[in-house]
Amino acid sequence: QVQLKESGPGLVQPSQTLSLTCTVSGFSLTSNSVHWVRQPPGKGLEWMGGIWGDGSTDYNSALKSRLSISRDTSKSQVFLKMNSLQTDDTAIYFCTRRLQPWGQGVMVTVSS
Amino acid sequence: NIVMTQSPKSMSISVGDRVTMNCKASQNVGNNIAWYQQKPGQSPKLLIYYASNRYTGVPDRFTGGGYGTDFTLTINSVQAEDAAFYYCQRIYNSPFTFGSGTKLEIK
Repeated sequence: QVQLKESGPGLVQPSQTLSLTCTVSGFSLTSNSVHWVRQPPGKGLEWMGGIWGDGSTDYNSALKSRLSISRDTSKSQVFLKMNSLQTDDTAIYFCTRRLQPWGQGVMVTVSS
Repeated sequence: NIVMTQSPKSMSISVGDRVTMNCKASQNVGNNIAWYQQKPGQSPKLLIYYASNRYTGVPDRFTGGGYGTDFTLTINSVQAEDAAFYYCQRIYNSPFTFGSGTKLEIK
């Protein structure tokens, strides 16, 4: 059964770095891509970036300077790191295997 | 970058009616579009991929169509459980941009 689950801090201070982990099961990271998507409260979906089966990455150009996506295939984990967080980075962060399925999401609030 | 524009922003439909919502790409994307349904408090769920392919388990009242720049999602005989937000997404060649969504309310 293919599953993804996000984990990370619920609260991050402004200007700090966000670190999230997506733990996957039921499929191999070396033959599938995993993507990060976020959704501010009451707003739509924003594709952030993804890591492909060969380890290459793609990023939303609006976030590229602050965002890094990596993985540990031995642990079936994909990581998101985004620096210089501001209040408008407050959102639910989802990881997804390409199109489907999606994780349940993790709410991240940026506040002092 | 390609922009995905969805219309209308919201619609209110009665149970049993047919509804069509639109997604327009700013450039030709072929058939590389997916549609998702998102209910409050839930993660998005894939309905349609490559414009017209229904994902496993999706009721056949959901139909996707279109090619190039103009795409549609039609729900025949809308049910109460179809109340949700619907998003289109470009699914080939980065960036994998989402549309801004259509909110479907049931009267």
